[in-house]
Amino acid sequence: AQTVTQSQPEMSVQEAETVTLSCTYDTSESDYYLFWYKQPPSRQMILVIRQEAYKQQNATENRFSVNFQKAAKSFSLKISDSQLGDAAMYFCAYRSIVRKDAGTASKLTFGTGTRLQVTL
Amino acid sequence: NAGVTQTPKFRILKIGQSMTLQCTQDMNHNYMYWYRQDPGMGLKLIYYSVGAGITDKGEVPNGYNVSRSTTEDFPLRLELAAPSQTSVYFCASSYSSTGTIYFGEGSWLTVV
Repeated sequence: AQTVTQSQPEMSVQEAETVTLSCTYDTSESDYYLFWYKQPPSRQMILVIRQEAYKQQNATENRFSVNFQKAAKSFSLKISDSQLGDAAMYFCAYRSIVRKDAGTASKLTFGTGTRLQVTL
Repeated sequence: NAGVTQTPKFRILKIGQSMTLQCTQDMNHNYMYWYRQDPGMGLKLIYYSVGAGITDKGEVPNGYNVSRSTTEDFPLRLELAAPSQTSVYFCASSYSSTGTIYFGEGSWLTVV
């Protein structure tokens, strides 16, 4: 079974600075997807960035980028020029394909999250 | 831009009561999912559906039932509510098995 580990329960960063959130995962699959989701106090799950395992190039979305190390099974999120609105819980998630009698679907396995505080 | 809509947003249930969490999506997505999020944890998959009339269990299906009579709707039924079902429930959908998964805003359920 896949597992996702986020070893930093809380992180803090000053506004305009850069912060890196860590994530490691365990899998025996070769083809999979990884995600970072942001969950503000409203609890809505907002997709921040995704990475396909077969792509060697690290994904980038504006101020958000990842460092994907497939051999090490590591998937960290870097937030540059941090803003007050970045304060939230961040979840790393691994997507695997589930094949059952009902058909093929996706299953997301989440880490326990990192709470990011942004200070002035 | 409705996306995935869940109702109700908040509900308090007494032990042993039953209720249905409603979920509807207007993106014509084939795949729909129900997750629960316990305090301080990530989300766990309860049930999923790959299309109308086809559903299957996820990681934590006990105490729940689902149905999928239409592409748009995927209600989650709680029978005989228990305190262990106190959680935030998220409905989600995707167009394909590898497509981006979009989440609803969550339904906070407390069982007392």
